[in-house]
Amino acid sequence: NAGVTQTPKFQVLKTGQSMTLQCAQDMNHNSMYWYRQDPGMGLRLIYYSASEGTTDKGEVPNGYNVSRLNKREFSLRLESAAPSQTSVYFCASRSTGARYTGELFFGEGSRLTVL
Amino acid sequence: ILNVEQSPQSLHVQEGDSTNFTCSFPSSNFYALHWYRWETAKSPEALFVMTLNGDEKKKGRISATLNTKEGYSYLYIKGSQPEDSATYLCAFAHYGGSQGNLIFGKGTKLSVKP
Repeated sequence: NAGVTQTPKFQVLKTGQSMTLQCAQDMNHNSMYWYRQDPGMGLRLIYYSASEGTTDKGEVPNGYNVSRLNKREFSLRLESAAPSQTSVYFCASRSTGARYTGELFFGEGSRLTVL
Repeated sequence: ILNVEQSPQSLHVQEGDSTNFTCSFPSSNFYALHWYRWETAKSPEALFVMTLNGDEKKKGRISATLNTKEGYSYLYIKGSQPEDSATYLCAFAHYGGSQGNLIFGKGTKLSVKP
């Protein structure tokens, strides 16, 4: 049972470098999400994709871009990493037809450090 | 700005103790309330999704109640075990919110000592 798979699990970047976090789900979910988790804060939504071909900004989108490559995959890109983007990133998915009531399924997280 | 508050922030109990914690959310335009369990080094996992005022849900020794009129939900753990040690997150969805957004609280970190 793979569920939601994120890569890489750990990454260290220098300020200004770029990188892409990959996420894939095998549950045939239409909706996918990227969250960040910072100490003392709740999970905050960066971007989401309600269905293949659509993406929308969440609460904290600045400095990020996303691509919904197909139904399974949703990637998060940092074009020019900044220390403020040091965080743990979680990808999640949810089934359609459950706009708010469907539970989120999370990946195991990607810990990113920007020096 | 919509806010979800969880209390206490952390809790230390002995094995066998029963415990409970609170999630407070805006009572207007309520749609759903989620509870997640998040063990260290793992991903959050859903415990309950509740939508109706007065809802009570149970999974093993863990149960939750919902009061949408006053804007709170309680999570109860009966006879805590060391494996219950985790951070418990609640998340609130409201009418008018974007399709994507659940507003998460900061969590209650539970530690159960053997």
